Amino acid sequence: GAVVSQHPSRVICKSGTSVKIECRSLDFQATTMFWYRQFPKQSLMLMATSNEGSKATYEQGVEKDKFLINHASLTLSTLTVTSAHPEDSSFYICSARDPEPENEQFFGPGTRLTVL
Amino acid sequence: GQNIDQPTEMTATEGAIVQINCTYQTSGFNGLFWYQQHAGEAPTFLSYNVLDGLEEKGRFSSFLSRSKGYSYLLLKELQMKDSASYLCAVLDSNYQLIWGAGTKLIIKP
Repeated sequence: GAVVSQHPSRVICKSGTSVKIECRSLDFQATTMFWYRQFPKQSLMLMATSNEGSKATYEQGVEKDKFLINHASLTLSTLTVTSAHPEDSSFYICSARDPEPENEQFFGPGTRLTVL
Repeated sequence: GQNIDQPTEMTATEGAIVQINCTYQTSGFNGLFWYQQHAGEAPTFLSYNVLDGLEEKGRFSSFLSRSKGYSYLLLKELQMKDSASYLCAVLDSNYQLIWGAGTKLIIKP
């Protein structure tokens, strides 16, 4: 199957700093990428849908000024958590949709963010 | 509204068979996915069904009935490494994935 990479895999930062997470589709072009957040023992929560060349679509309750998404190319989307606070500590997972042949979403390995 | 239902937790014995059910009510249907997720890791793809019937892939099989809004994931010859959460997700008419909350499968020796 297709491969999606995510970097970094783990980050620990101080409260108030900004953290950038990269998501790359390695062997296919993804016009659409998705950003999820997952708290311990809970299901995936879709944060936003990232479309190449246009503004991301955020889910209700997700602050777009806090979680900046840039889908700069067909293989790269970035999520920047601005002025991170301890409550932002979570597992952030991106996925990329491969339209051929089955619109399957392939997931990156995830980024564990810990804000001290 | 859109809704995906699956049991919260199931327990099974190593070597046995377990069936995880998923029922859905969505605006449109463009396929149903099953994913496996181990604790602390991202989900990995298991199966995709868009037509009615059974798809078999090794120890794992997935079944779909579109008229009933129902799917199941069948795991045979269970191994300890199969202990994980299993997520059911439906691709709706806008090609957005609607996720179930996941079923935590516990395998006992």
